[in-house]
Amino acid sequence: NAGVTQTPKFRILKIGQSMTLQCTQDMNHNYMYWYRQDPGMGLKLIYYSVGAGITDKGEVPNGYNVSRSTTEDFPLRLELAAPSQTSVYFCASRRQTALENTIYFGEGSWLTVV
Amino acid sequence: AQTVTQSQPEMSVQEAETVTLSCTYDTSESDYYLFWYKQPPSRQMILVIRQEAYKQQNATENRFSVNFQKAAKSFSLKISDSQLGDAAMYFCAYRGTSYDKVIFGPGTSLSVIP
Repeated sequence: NAGVTQTPKFRILKIGQSMTLQCTQDMNHNYMYWYRQDPGMGLKLIYYSVGAGITDKGEVPNGYNVSRSTTEDFPLRLELAAPSQTSVYFCASRRQTALENTIYFGEGSWLTVV
Repeated sequence: AQTVTQSQPEMSVQEAETVTLSCTYDTSESDYYLFWYKQPPSRQMILVIRQEAYKQQNATENRFSVNFQKAAKSFSLKISDSQLGDAAMYFCAYRGTSYDKVIFGPGTSLSVIP
């Protein structure tokens, strides 16, 4: 299994540009998450989804949008990029069952806004 | 809202010695899950150990064990016989059973001294 795949791995954006970080998982997981990790800091939840067609805000949703049209894909959209969005972005997924506690992370996407 | 606190931004340990990383959390739920994740320089998030709140027995995984104090809302990680490969950021994380979000602490950077 490929697990959780994120693209691109690295990207430089100019202020005001827009872009989409792609995330796909092949484990048929219902739950998917987007986190950002600033240098030397912990993970902050941006958005999450409990299934296709359902999304909800996390701790730091401003400046981002998500969609979940399929179980596999959970893209993160940055509109009007700002320097404050320079960060490493992690997509993650897990099964819906209460007994399944493992969260599978992607390898991260390094984004720099200049 | 749930919060996770790690009061030690940095820790160091001599190789082969034992180190304990602290984590406290705040929640009004009675049932939940707690995790420790390891993040090496590669930025991959690796699940180290997990604990279900309804279990009184502390979880153990080889050289890693936890001290779970539910009343005190404390969840510390003990690493025995520390190895150079244990050097990484360690994150404590919380997931409630009635919530879908996974909340991470700010992390503790662990250095292992040869």
